[in-house]
Amino acid sequence: AQSVTQLGSHVSVSEGALVLLRCNYSSSVPPYLFWYVQYPNQGLQLLLKYTSAATLVKGINGFEAEFKKSETSFHLTKPSAHMSDAAEYFCAVSAGGGTSYGKLTFGQGTILTVHP
Amino acid sequence: NAGVTQTPKFQVLKTGQSMTLQCAQDMNHNSMYWYRQDPGMGLRLIYYSASEGTTDKGEVPNGYNVSRLNKREFSLRLESAAPSQTSVYFCASRETLAGVTDTQYFGPGTRLTVL
Repeated sequence: AQSVTQLGSHVSVSEGALVLLRCNYSSSVPPYLFWYVQYPNQGLQLLLKYTSAATLVKGINGFEAEFKKSETSFHLTKPSAHMSDAAEYFCAVSAGGGTSYGKLTFGQGTILTVHP
Repeated sequence: NAGVTQTPKFQVLKTGQSMTLQCAQDMNHNSMYWYRQDPGMGLRLIYYSASEGTTDKGEVPNGYNVSRLNKREFSLRLESAAPSQTSVYFCASRETLAGVTDTQYFGPGTRLTVL
């Protein structure tokens, strides 16, 4: 069984400030981890994914995330927020292929607000 | 290349009415999924289809049925809509070239209101 907890349903930052969105996971097997972004009235777009090749994963739009097995965390960061980063962000975990068929379990989502 | 498309974009139903949400992908993906999104609950899996000809239940299947019509299309049916099914529905498909870390690609969603 897998689960994801995103700490903080709303995060507010100033433009240019560090963005930190927290994600903790629980998985009975080595996890595969994803961050998706959802802009208003749109579908989900992949930001980045953990492939087990490297613990620090770089994604689109300047975002990155670090997989920490000891802390069961996969927090999303961006050094300098931009107004266009305002969106809802979802962390998700998958047990992979095989009989799991790549099914994703999502966290509750974090709404990021960026102030000028 | 349109990716994942969904119809309709918006729908209002009365309690007890039925409807089918359509989903199609043009990426030649084997696996397809239906999720519902509710505020504060993230996305929850309703049904999925690992490959053409197979379907299986996800986390919240009650009140829904699905059909994998062919490799491209995966529809979701509400036989007797209830207000609790008011939600935004997303279809997704998954590439399977790279193995276990394959990405799911999402459609734009269908916003359904049941009165």
